[in-house]
Amino acid sequence: DAGITQSPRHKVTETGTPVTLRCHQTENHRYMYWYRQDPGHGLRLIHYSYGVKDTDKGEVSDGYSVSRSKTEDFLLTLESATSSQTSVYFCAIGGLADRTDTQYFGPGTRLTVL
Amino acid sequence: AQKVTQAQTEISVVEKEDVTLDCVYETRDTTYYLFWYKQPPSGELVFLIRRNSFDEQNEISGRYSWNFQKSTSSFNFTITASQVVDSAVYFCALSEYNTDKLIFGTGTRLQVFP
Repeated sequence: DAGITQSPRHKVTETGTPVTLRCHQTENHRYMYWYRQDPGHGLRLIHYSYGVKDTDKGEVSDGYSVSRSKTEDFLLTLESATSSQTSVYFCAIGGLADRTDTQYFGPGTRLTVL
Repeated sequence: AQKVTQAQTEISVVEKEDVTLDCVYETRDTTYYLFWYKQPPSGELVFLIRRNSFDEQNEISGRYSWNFQKSTSSFNFTITASQVVDSAVYFCALSEYNTDKLIFGTGTRLQVFP
């Protein structure tokens, strides 16, 4: 499997607090992605990065920001967590050769916002 | 616009039965890629197959086979002689050549009973 780790794996937080999720890869893939998974919606793209300091919005980006200061790390920040952001968050990597390459997923982070 | 439809929300079969998971997609691009992922009860997302739009050959991998038909915009997945370990949620996904994004269907939950 691709070397992708996510931290933390589980988090419970309160409404209004900032939360940062980390994705770390050891595969030197150019592209990194953050998705959220909710019942009835499958996986939806939040933000993605196509290089260091190069990021773009996905389908459900409101309330989230991202940063990528190194090839191997991609951070997702919930600036002020809301209950609607309770979800399972997956990081993925791709684009080893080009942007259409297969995406490989990390183990996921289960976030609960009370 | 891109869209992936997995109309079967849940399927239940008994071990050794064959089962087909349907995937219908919409795209305006002539170059695109189709994927299947498996999400077992443990929660990780496992890549199964990638197919590009110019390759309509069916593929077989052990008990798994995939039927790609451009004429009906379908990329169906068949498991032959299902086993309990096949119980999972299966996602179909689409990416277009000119975008950086992977669009997922809502998934089909397969339960295989002994």
